[in-house]
Amino acid sequence: NAGVMQNPRHLVRRRGQEARLRCSPMKGHSHVYWYRQLPEEGLKFMVYLQKENIIDESGMPKERFSAEFPKEGPSILRIQQVVRGDSAAYFCASLGIGGHDGYTFGSGTRLTVV
Amino acid sequence: KQEVTQIPAALSVPEGENLVLNCSFTDSAIYNLQWFRQDPGKGLTSLLLIQSSQREQTSGRLNASLDKSSGRSTLYIAASQPGDSATYLCAVRVISNFGNEKLTFGTGTRLTIIP
Repeated sequence: NAGVMQNPRHLVRRRGQEARLRCSPMKGHSHVYWYRQLPEEGLKFMVYLQKENIIDESGMPKERFSAEFPKEGPSILRIQQVVRGDSAAYFCASLGIGGHDGYTFGSGTRLTVV
Repeated sequence: KQEVTQIPAALSVPEGENLVLNCSFTDSAIYNLQWFRQDPGKGLTSLLLIQSSQREQTSGRLNASLDKSSGRSTLYIAASQPGDSATYLCAVRVISNFGNEKLTFGTGTRLTIIP
């Protein structure tokens, strides 16, 4: 089991470009969560998805950010027209049905906006 | 709104000492609590998971306790080693009546073990 896979590990974008971050959950896990860690800050919840459904997006900025978890393929966190303040580490976590084993996190994508 | 606090924010101790990291949370209606380790520039590694019905969990030199009613958890590290140097994060899992759930993290304790 390869665990939670995130790619790319590092992403550099110029202001105004789009950033796409991908997350493949652990095999058998159907729940995906995205968290953001700003420099010198804690991890903040962004969005919770199940296959083809957004369950809770209360932590997502109202503009420029979107997330999906299609029936086939990885979950995608998309940031349009990036700004310097979007520079952060973005972590994906997955949870199995029942959730008794706890969350498993990926290694993260470190986004740098220049 | 659930808030998680970790004290101290940073801790330096000589190698070989035992130490305790503290975590407190404001809403005791948690499903479970998880302790993670994060090395600089890296992801999160799960250390211990305590279900709400449990009082403690142990793994090797690590022991985590949970007192749900008082909103507290501690992570005890025995015989500390330089390789234990990292940031330790406490996170509580809450499941709402609507089925929404999330982890709420503390801001972490940055631990340095001095050789």
